[in-house]
Amino acid sequence: QSALTQPASVSGSPGQSITISCTGTSSDVGGYNYVSWYQQHPGKAPKLMIYDVSNRPSGVSNRFSGSKSGNTASLTISGLQAEDEADYYCSSYTSSSSYVFGTGTKVTVL
Amino acid sequence: EVQLVESGGGVVRPGGSLRLSCAASGFTFDDYGMSWVRQAPGKGLEWVSGINWNGGSTGYADSVKGRFTISRDNAKNSLYLQMNSLRAEDTALYHCARVLVLGGVIVKAFDIWGQGTMVTVSS
Repeated sequence: QSALTQPASVSGSPGQSITISCTGTSSDVGGYNYVSWYQQHPGKAPKLMIYDVSNRPSGVSNRFSGSKSGNTASLTISGLQAEDEADYYCSSYTSSSSYVFGTGTKVTVL
Repeated sequence: EVQLVESGGGVVRPGGSLRLSCAASGFTFDDYGMSWVRQAPGKGLEWVSGINWNGGSTGYADSVKGRFTISRDNAKNSLYLQMNSLRAEDTALYHCARVLVLGGVIVKAFDIWGQGTMVTVSS
């Protein structure tokens, strides 16, 4: 199972919106509405930000939103804040009854 | 407090074995499926293995199939990963993670993560 493809880095100024893409195949992203997104600060455990493509767990800011079109999912961060600077990973359930993660995107707040 | 704490990592020679443990607290352990996810130094996340609530169903990444075995002991609120025939490419921080459940429905995402235990495979 190959990793889902994400851009290596995305940057934006405070207050701006950025979008991170996550491209897979019809065997994972395109085949199921089971895409999730995780935020990871350096030296910390990943934190669930989005599940089932577009749902936010309790306690996650509504500045984070998710969507999907075909084999590509996206995470949008609106009103970018300094604390959003972190690595972000997408994940999808697969036709092999396994999970695959994305390559990861480093978000930089300018 | 809901918590997962991993242990058992260390340095091991190629071909060696190691058993990781994950102690769960603050929630009803046997209500949840669990997984192991690893992260090589400076690299991304990789799903390794998963197990359902009673251990009756397990899954593995192709990279570890036949070498790693996941198990759980609900009486001890613990998850395990037996790792055999270890290779240099297994060097990583190993996290245990809880599968999200909402209203009794299993959501294919991981809502609670441990800090991880480091495994280094080196001669």
